Amino acid sequence: DVKVTQSSRYLVKRTGEKVFLECVQDMDHENMFWYRQDPGLGLRLIYFSYDVKMKEKGDIPEGYSVSREKKERFSLILESASTNQTSMYLCASRDPGHPGVKLFFGSGTQLSVL
Amino acid sequence: DQQVKQNSPSLSVQEGRISILNCDYTNSMFDYFLWYKKYPAEGPTFLISISSIKDKNEDGRFTVFLNKSAKHLSLHIVPSQPGDSAVYFCAASEGNAGNMLTFGGGTRLMVKP
Repeated sequence: DVKVTQSSRYLVKRTGEKVFLECVQDMDHENMFWYRQDPGLGLRLIYFSYDVKMKEKGDIPEGYSVSREKKERFSLILESASTNQTSMYLCASRDPGHPGVKLFFGSGTQLSVL
Repeated sequence: DQQVKQNSPSLSVQEGRISILNCDYTNSMFDYFLWYKKYPAEGPTFLISISSIKDKNEDGRFTVFLNKSAKHLSLHIVPSQPGDSAVYFCAASEGNAGNMLTFGGGTRLMVKP
């Protein structure tokens, strides 16, 4: 089974802090994604990466950046955390060679920005 | 503007009865649809999918119906079980090899024993 691991289950940060969310997948998937989940809004795509060192903006990239130096690891960076970035953050990976758009998700990181 | 909408934020059904979760979309280019289930403190897990060349796909207790003319899909769970209590997300993409999934807002299903 695919395993997508997010380094922290809960994080509490202060406004203005730089925040790093880490995600590692163990199935050699080329594609990786960062979503945030908010009540009533579902999952919204922040950034995705087709492959190492490649990144594309999703629907809500403002205030975020990403890093993909190794195939298995995709990091989400909040340059200067703000209270409106309090959310559940979900990392996902996908094998583009596999039929279907099926994503495999990590368990999520609940980030609170105070 | 949300391209995928789940208009019912919550649904409560009795164990053994049918659960029907609905999803509407506006983008006529969407041609591949998926349902994900999410338990608290876990990531979403894939449940079932359907391509626009079909109008029905069945997997055990779960059936997804697609009405392309109405831009509507639904997930039927029969019979519902307490373990089905979770948040269900509908998602859509343009093509099944695409990288972009657009999700709905989710419906919380509660199955009462």
